[in-house]
This record gives sequence, C-alpha cells and structure tokens, in this order.
Amino acid sequence: TQLLEQSPQFLSIQEGENLTVYCNSSSVFSSLQWYRQEPGEGPVLLVTVVTGGEVKKLKRLTFQFGDARKDSSLHITAAQPGDTGLYLCAGPTILSSGSARQLTFGSGTQLTVLP
Amino acid sequence: DSGVTQTPKHLITATGQRVTLRCSPRSGDLSVYWYQQSLDQGLQFLIQYYNGEERAKGNILERFSAQQFPDLHSELNLSSLELGDSALYFCASTFSGSDTGELFFGEGSRLTVL
Repeated sequence: TQLLEQSPQFLSIQEGENLTVYCNSSSVFSSLQWYRQEPGEGPVLLVTVVTGGEVKKLKRLTFQFGDARKDSSLHITAAQPGDTGLYLCAGPTILSSGSARQLTFGSGTQLTVLP
Repeated sequence: DSGVTQTPKHLITATGQRVTLRCSPRSGDLSVYWYQQSLDQGLQFLIQYYNGEERAKGNILERFSAQQFPDLHSELNLSSLELGDSALYFCASTFSGSDTGELFFGEGSRLTVL
C-alpha cells in the first residue's frame, strides 16, 4: 500500500501569515490531488498535479509536485480565515492484486486561520 | 453543492443494530464510491461501483455491504454495529471511475453507535 503522510497534522496561524503543508510518500505516484474539507461538508477538489516538478497556482494557493513524484506541497500566501479547513492530499493506489486503482487519502492537515 | 445527495445526514443507533445509508450520485455519473472518515483512521476507501458492478474493494468489513441499483443510486448496509463503527460515511461519484478524475463528495452521513 502506498501511504501518504501529511505534515503538520495541525496548524494554527494568524490572518496574513504564509504557510506550507506537505504530503510525502516513499512511493511514486502518477498524479496527486489536493482537497479541502470544511466542517459538515465533503472534501472538494482544489487541484490535480500530474507532472514531476509541476507548479500550479490557484489565487493565493501554490501547489508543487516533487520532481520524483513522491511528494507534494501546498503553500498559502497571506492566509485568510476562509482558508480554514482540513487539507487532504490523495493519490491513486492499487489496494489489492487485480483491483482497480483507487484514490488513497493522507490523514490531512487541519488548518485554522485566526482573524 | 456537489450534486451528490446522501441520506440520512445523522443517524444514532445501538450496538448490534443494522442501518442503511443511501447515496444519489451526480446526474450522469456512473461510478459511486464509499469512504469512511474517523478521527483516528482518516478517510478510508471502502468500495466502488461502476454502472451497477463492483469495481474495487478497500478496507470494508464483512459486516458491511453495498450495492448500486439500475438507477445508479447506491446503498451501504452496515450490520451488527459496534461502537467503533461510529464515523462519517461519505459517498462520492464520478462519470468514468478513472483513478485520476475528480471525486465529487456528498455531505456525508454521520453515524453514532451507542
């Protein structure tokens, strides 16, 4: 099983600060996705990265896929209270022999941005 | 609004009981996924159906079963419930079932087993 480890597990910062959260694995992934989950809601896709070294920007969020496609990072500039949520990375994984690949999720980073 | 509908939103029951969770996928989506989210285990894949057929199984207990009906809605049946089954159960859908496609999640069903 290809495990995705996310760090930090919890992060609490003041509005306006910058932050980076990480998603690491010992395995190579063909792609990685980042989702954000808010309380009482299901996860919502933010971005998919597919090429080693790829950088994608979504307003104040910058996503990077590692050159070796084993890790990814999410950088938020000038965080706002609306960025508060659980950030999950996910990658396709073969769960068992002969089974289709499925999205496996990391344990997430719970981000709280204080006003 | 993702377009995925899950019922019920909240469910409280006792150990040993059986419950059924229901999911209606987005219009046109053929694939349905079930995930379990708990504080200590995170978001765990349970099972996937594509156009009525089981496509993949994850860490789904034998006490749990699912099916997808001809109208593409899906049900997750949980039986002989234990305290540890208390969790959020999410349904997600996609059109193709590709492992690189975006999953559209419902708002979840929160199950509490007392």
